[in-house]
Amino acid sequence: NAGVTQTPKFRVLKTGQSMTLLCAQDMNHEYMYWYRQDPGMGLRLIHYSVGEGTTAKGEVPDGYNVSRLKKQNFLLGLESAAPSQTSVYFCASSQSHPAQYFGPGTRLTVT
Amino acid sequence: DQQVKQNSPSLSVQEGRISILNCDYTNSMFDYFLWYKKYPAEGPTFLISISSIKDKNEDGRFTVFLNKSAKHLSLHIVPSQPGDSAVYFCAASSGTYKYIFGTGTRLKVLA
Repeated sequence: NAGVTQTPKFRVLKTGQSMTLLCAQDMNHEYMYWYRQDPGMGLRLIHYSVGEGTTAKGEVPDGYNVSRLKKQNFLLGLESAAPSQTSVYFCASSQSHPAQYFGPGTRLTVT
Repeated sequence: DQQVKQNSPSLSVQEGRISILNCDYTNSMFDYFLWYKKYPAEGPTFLISISSIKDKNEDGRFTVFLNKSAKHLSLHIVPSQPGDSAVYFCAASSGTYKYIFGTGTRLKVLA
């Protein structure tokens, strides 16, 4: 039972490049979330999903897209990375509201 | 506009004593509050929650108090242990999946 895993752990991108962050959970949870954490700020919700095939916008969705094609996976995409997207990204899952189980994070740097 | 504020960036407490972490909010529509704990290089861990219909919730060494009139909540840890040393985030919601997080308080428990 791995809980919530995130791939990759670290990544450096050049401005304009694209990438996908993968989140996987093995707890059969319905709800999944993507957050970002920046220095001196709390976590901010990017997008979330309340079940397979559903997605919804959070607090800071601009510049990101998500997909939940399988219940256990929640993908976060950056189509054209910008330096403002340099951050630590956390995925979380839960069987109900609120988010309870977080992954270890992905540290992304956009140069 | 910081709707959830943790005004103390850090706190040091002696082992065995009480740790009190504070959180203030401005939005009177918030009706559900959470505390998370975060160790370095790990994702946050859900700790305890409280609904606005209660003024206290207890779970082992952790108690959360809610003062709605003052728009203030606090997390008490008794007795504090060195393993409690972490960053603590409070978060609030107004009945949606969107939680607003505070900026965190770093707790250091001295042995």
